[in-house]
Amino acid sequence: GAGVSQSPRYKVAKRGQDVALRCDPISGHVSLFWYQQALGQGPEFLTYFQNEAQLDKSGLPSDRFFAERPEGSVSTLKIQRTQQEDSAVYLCASSFQGQGTTDTQYFGPGTRLTVL
Amino acid sequence: DQQVKQNSPSLSVQEGRISILNCDYTNSMFDYFLWYKKYPAEGPTFLISISSIKDKNEDGRFTVFLNKSAKHLSLHIVPSQPGDSAVYFCAARPLFSGSARQLTFGSGTQLTVLP
Repeated sequence: GAGVSQSPRYKVAKRGQDVALRCDPISGHVSLFWYQQALGQGPEFLTYFQNEAQLDKSGLPSDRFFAERPEGSVSTLKIQRTQQEDSAVYLCASSFQGQGTTDTQYFGPGTRLTVL
Repeated sequence: DQQVKQNSPSLSVQEGRISILNCDYTNSMFDYFLWYKKYPAEGPTFLISISSIKDKNEDGRFTVFLNKSAKHLSLHIVPSQPGDSAVYFCAARPLFSGSARQLTFGSGTQLTVLP
């Protein structure tokens, strides 16, 4: 496809369950970002990959959050033992180049996670 | 502490008139600014950007103005069209003064263009 895709689009989890959210970036894009967007707020940074290397994970809210991009393309954001405060839209974005550029971040449609 | 602020949660304008969306920032490290547009159930879509070496950037109906001394930027849409109705996010990051790549977003402004 031409754009960033994410799956599933919607996920309902019971409190305490583990979830895995997938992101397929635009082919050839080096950089990949995960953001969390709470209702009525702007997206907030979670973590950043350059190829398979996770260069920044300063935005991950707790050690229950884990992200990987083992082959430098598809990425998975995993949340263990979900809590109600994890309910949000999780956005993935990719960009063509690495650091020090003004390249555009292209966003996927997001995964809406609801924790009951 | 919000580093990027959009103080107007909503704005309504008549079709054909000018829409002005405002954004303020506090972090002096920010020197690259972007506007994204978001429709419901879709991801944000890039609209226009400006770096701190410029004070204006124009692309068709969209113009972004940057006032570095006031740490303020604005997006002008002229003329406004009903299809412009969406949530607009201001975002910022370092470009010349740091290596951080992630964007810091404001909370968004819902623009409604009335026919």
